[in-house]
Amino acid sequence: AQSVTQLGSHVSVSEGALVLLRCNYSSSVPPYLFWYVQYPNQGLQLLLKYTSAATLVKGINGFEAEFKKSETSFHLTKPSAHMSDAAEYFCASRGDSSYKLIFGSGTRLLVRP
Amino acid sequence: DAGVTQSPTHLIKTRGQHVTLRCSPISGHKSVSWYQQVLGQGPQFIFQYYEKEERGRGNFPDRFSARQFPNYSSELNVNALLLGDSALYLCASSWDRGEYMNTEAFFGQGTRLTVV
Repeated sequence: AQSVTQLGSHVSVSEGALVLLRCNYSSSVPPYLFWYVQYPNQGLQLLLKYTSAATLVKGINGFEAEFKKSETSFHLTKPSAHMSDAAEYFCASRGDSSYKLIFGSGTRLLVRP
Repeated sequence: DAGVTQSPTHLIKTRGQHVTLRCSPISGHKSVSWYQQVLGQGPQFIFQYYEKEERGRGNFPDRFSARQFPNYSSELNVNALLLGDSALYLCASSWDRGEYMNTEAFFGQGTRLTVV
């Protein structure tokens, strides 16, 4: 069965430091992958999506992610964290069923001043 | 343009009661999906509707049902509420029925359901 694994339920970085949030997928078919952000008491907002056109995907708010088939990974990065990046981040996949998203368990990003 | 709107934003129900949650998709979007997000977990797929027809169903009991109206708005109904049904219920809309794998789903702010 298709699944998405996010390593680390909490990640804490200092303001200005590199942000790295990890996502690994398990799919029998080439997946379409997404990163969503959720701010407190809000819904999900799309940060970026992988669609096989390019392995390095740039998203909003300075985030980017690299698709590595050999590692079955789609890690999210941002060179310099800002206080406003504090939120919960979800990796999601569409693989064998196109009508639904399979979400990871989420990673809460904490940004220290 | 208005995004996906959900109502109510919060509600409290007693075990055994019934609840109806409502969702209005983005104008022009014909697909509506429902997800349940339990505290500390990622969203879990419940239903997808396209053009008033159910296109997909997740692993949820028959107490959960939904429908889509001619204006593409949708309702999620849950009968015989259990404490474990307490969660954030998210509605998402998209323009296609799911044939395009990279289509973005736009999410509403959710309805926070508490069952006591």
